[in-house]
Amino acid sequence: AAGVIQSPRHLIKEKRETATLKCYPIPRHDTVYWYQQGPGQDPQFLISFYEKMQSDKGSIPDRFSAQQFSDYHSELNMSSLELGDSALYFCASSLGRTGVEEKLFFGSGTQLSVL
Amino acid sequence: DAKTTQPPSMDCAEGRAANLPCNHSTISGNEYVYWYRQIHSQGPQYIIHGLKNNETNEMASLIITEDRKSSTLILPHATLRDTAVYYCIVSVFSGGGADGLTFGKGTHLIIQP
Repeated sequence: AAGVIQSPRHLIKEKRETATLKCYPIPRHDTVYWYQQGPGQDPQFLISFYEKMQSDKGSIPDRFSAQQFSDYHSELNMSSLELGDSALYFCASSLGRTGVEEKLFFGSGTQLSVL
Repeated sequence: DAKTTQPPSMDCAEGRAANLPCNHSTISGNEYVYWYRQIHSQGPQYIIHGLKNNETNEMASLIITEDRKSSTLILPHATLRDTAVYYCIVSVFSGGGADGLTFGKGTHLIIQP
């Protein structure tokens, strides 16, 4: 079965650079979530989108932005990168329609290293 | 404030049942109990969820106490591949929205050969 696809798998950036992470949800899933997991930390919710509209916001820094496109894929844009942004970034997708209980399917993540 | 409390780590012998407890004493009437697990550096994986009745699927069983203040995840025949961090999460059924699940401190389950 098709899973959530994230690209790139690994990304190395310098401080103050920008990065764009991409997420392709499971076909027919209309909801996308972004999570950040620092070394030895638990996943932290950043932001989510339902039907291309921002739905919920967690601890996403102002330097980060995200959007969901008409084909439901999502991109997380990160600017002015800091060393502390080095982390695993997970995307998850689900069916968010009314009457459907949330069950999130996660991708394999993007490992971002900021040098 | 944490909505769930789990032991930080547990050991279980391979082939035995692994019973992972979770306390959620402040759970609201419309909140579900979800269990996810994360095998080292992989994306979290959904296991099971329930509202008030016990649930079973191909991966595990979920036992929720009658007062819903605690639950137990049961892996009936643990294998080495079940070694992972297990997260118990309470979340409102959003009914069409996309509220993010909040991962707290889970239980690191280690299956011993």
